Amino acid sequence: QVQLVQSGAEVKKPGASVKLSCKASGYTFISHYIHWVRQAPGQGLEWMGVINPSDSDTTYAQNFQGRVTMTRDTSTSTVYMELSSLSSEDTAVYYCARKSYSGRIDYWGQGTLVTVSS
Amino acid sequence: QSVLTQPPSVSGAPGQRVTISCTGSSSNIGAGFDVHWYQQLPGTAPKLLIYANNNRPSGVPDRFSGSKSGTSASLAITGLQAEDEADYYCQSYDSSLSGSAVFGGGTHLTVV
Repeated sequence: QVQLVQSGAEVKKPGASVKLSCKASGYTFISHYIHWVRQAPGQGLEWMGVINPSDSDTTYAQNFQGRVTMTRDTSTSTVYMELSSLSSEDTAVYYCARKSYSGRIDYWGQGTLVTVSS
Repeated sequence: QSVLTQPPSVSGAPGQRVTISCTGSSSNIGAGFDVHWYQQLPGTAPKLLIYANNNRPSGVPDRFSGSKSGTSASLAITGLQAEDEADYYCQSYDSSLSGSAVFGGGTHLTVV
C-alpha cells in the first residue's frame, strides 16, 4: 500500500533552517510528483511547492521563493524539504503529499510539527 | 488571503443537506483546472473526498458529491451525520502562478 512516512517533530530557533524528509513506499517513486503543504495552528492549508522525483524539477510558491529547497534521493525513495530563515510564523505542521492523476492529492504523510521558538 | 474563496463555516442538523462553495477565477477553476475536495478531521492529515470535480474515491459515501460551473465549484453533503463535522478544503491549480497548486481557506462544518 502507498505510504508517505515523514520525519519527526523539530524545534528550531529563529533564523535557523530545518530539513524534513518524506519516505515513499508502495508505488514507483519517480511516477508521482510530491507536494509540500503546511498548516499553521488553527489555520488552513498552505501550498509550499512541488517536486518531480523523476528529474528533480521543482515549482515553489511565491511566498517561499528563496527560502525553500526541495530535493529527492531516488536510491531511498525519499523527498526532502528545507526551509531557511525560520521565524515564529513558520511554526506549523508540514505535510508531504502525492500528486496523482488530474492533479488530485491522493496520499498524505502523517505530518511533521515544526516549532520555531527562542 | 486564499486564491480560492470558501465560507469560513457552515452548519446543519443531522439528516440535512449542506453545500460548501469554492469560488475562483479565470486563471484557475475558470481556466479548466479540475477541483478537488479534502476532508480534515481534527488532528489528522487531510483526506481526498472528491476528485476531478465530481468523482468519489473508493470508500467515500455517496452522500458526498461535487460540481463545477464556470469559476466556481461546490461540495454537497446530504444526510448529515455527526462524523461529518470537520474542515473541508477545495484545491485546484492556477495558470497565473506557473501552474502552482492553490487551496481554499477551508470551511468548518458543524453538525448541530
